[in-house]
Amino acid sequence: AQTVTQSQPEMSVQEAETVTLSCTYDTSESDYYLFWYKQPPSRQMILVIRQEAYKQQNATENRFSVNFQKAAKSFSLKISDSQLGDAAMYFCAYQSNSGYALNFGKGTSLLVTP
Amino acid sequence: DSGVTQTPKHLITATGQRVTLRCSPRSGDLSVYWYQQSLDQGLQFLIQYYNGEERAKGNILERFSAQQFPDLHSELNLSSLELGDSALYFCASSVMSGGGSETQYFGPGTRLLVL
Repeated sequence: AQTVTQSQPEMSVQEAETVTLSCTYDTSESDYYLFWYKQPPSRQMILVIRQEAYKQQNATENRFSVNFQKAAKSFSLKISDSQLGDAAMYFCAYQSNSGYALNFGKGTSLLVTP
Repeated sequence: DSGVTQTPKHLITATGQRVTLRCSPRSGDLSVYWYQQSLDQGLQFLIQYYNGEERAKGNILERFSAQQFPDLHSELNLSSLELGDSALYFCASSVMSGGGSETQYFGPGTRLLVL
């Protein structure tokens, strides 16, 4: 099974600054999908961004962007102009093109300070 | 609001009991996925149904079962409950049968506490 590793249990960023959350994964597949989900204190799982492995261009969604390095099996999330509402647990997830389940990392807790 | 609904929001029960968690997918979605989130195991995939049929199975215990009904809502049944079953149970849905082309949208979860 593919493993997803988030090596930073906790991160902190000041409001308006930029922060990068790390994610690495292990797979022998060439075609797959990667996701970042946000889980605020409400516990709702909210999709932040997705990346198709066959696309070289990094995905972006407003203040959120990814740095996808396929050869290095790395998928980091950059949050620009951080806001207090960005404080949450962030989960990186892998999905095989031939599978259905999302395989999640352990998560990174992001604290945003004023 | 993802459009996925789950009931109840909270459930407190005793060891050895049986509970049923309910999920209604987004309008038009045919697939339902169940995930368990616990402190020690993290987020784990349990099982997936597509249009009433079981499609994929993950780390689901034999004490747990699920089904998807003709109206596409799904129920997760947990029996002979143990303390370790205390967790947040998520339902997610997607349009088709799954695979990377389908983004999964999560419900708000059911928090189960077994005493």
